[in-house]
Amino acid sequence: AQSVSQHNHHVILSEAASLELGCNYSYGGTVNLFWYVQYPGQHLQLLLKYFSGDPLVKGIKGFEAEFIKSKFSFNLRKPSVQWSDTAEYFCAVNLFSGGYNKLIFGAGTRLAVHP
Amino acid sequence: EPEVTQTPSHQVTQMGQEVILRCVPISNHLYFYWYRQILGQKVEFLVSFYNNEISEKSEIFDDQFSVERPDGSNFTLKIRSTKLEDSAMYFCASRERGDYNEQFFGPGTRLTVL
Repeated sequence: AQSVSQHNHHVILSEAASLELGCNYSYGGTVNLFWYVQYPGQHLQLLLKYFSGDPLVKGIKGFEAEFIKSKFSFNLRKPSVQWSDTAEYFCAVNLFSGGYNKLIFGAGTRLAVHP
Repeated sequence: EPEVTQTPSHQVTQMGQEVILRCVPISNHLYFYWYRQILGQKVEFLVSFYNNEISEKSEIFDDQFSVERPDGSNFTLKIRSTKLEDSAMYFCASRERGDYNEQFFGPGTRLTVL
């Protein structure tokens, strides 16, 4: 069955530290990859997405992610986090089936950034 | 910027009661989805809907669940007889035509079944 694994459930960082959140998926077909963020009390917002082309994608708020097909990975990075990055981060894979699609989410990583 | 809206934000119900969760997708979107997130767990796909019919549903989406687009703007999720384990955050999402378009999520409805 298709699945998405996020390796870190909780991450605690100080401001200005670098961030890398791991995401691996298991699916051999065509995939689109996403990172969503959920700030406290808010809804899911798209950080960035990969469909094709350059495997290094840049998103909003200084985030970027690299798609490594051979490793089935799509890790999220940010060189210097801020307190306002405190949120839960979800990796998701968009699976196509019969012309329709659906998102398969990872379990999420809760990031706490301390000033 | 257009957004997906959901009502109510929080619904409390007794076990066995019917609930209807409402969503207003973005107006030019054609594909609609429901997901749920049980507290502390991952976001799970429930159902996708296109052209007034279900295009795919998960094993979670059993006979107790139904979806409807009654009037061209609302998209509803009905749970016929709620169970304790239905307590979760329910998210609606919508997207435009085309494989490469992202899904936009609503703020969610927190359903608490007592």
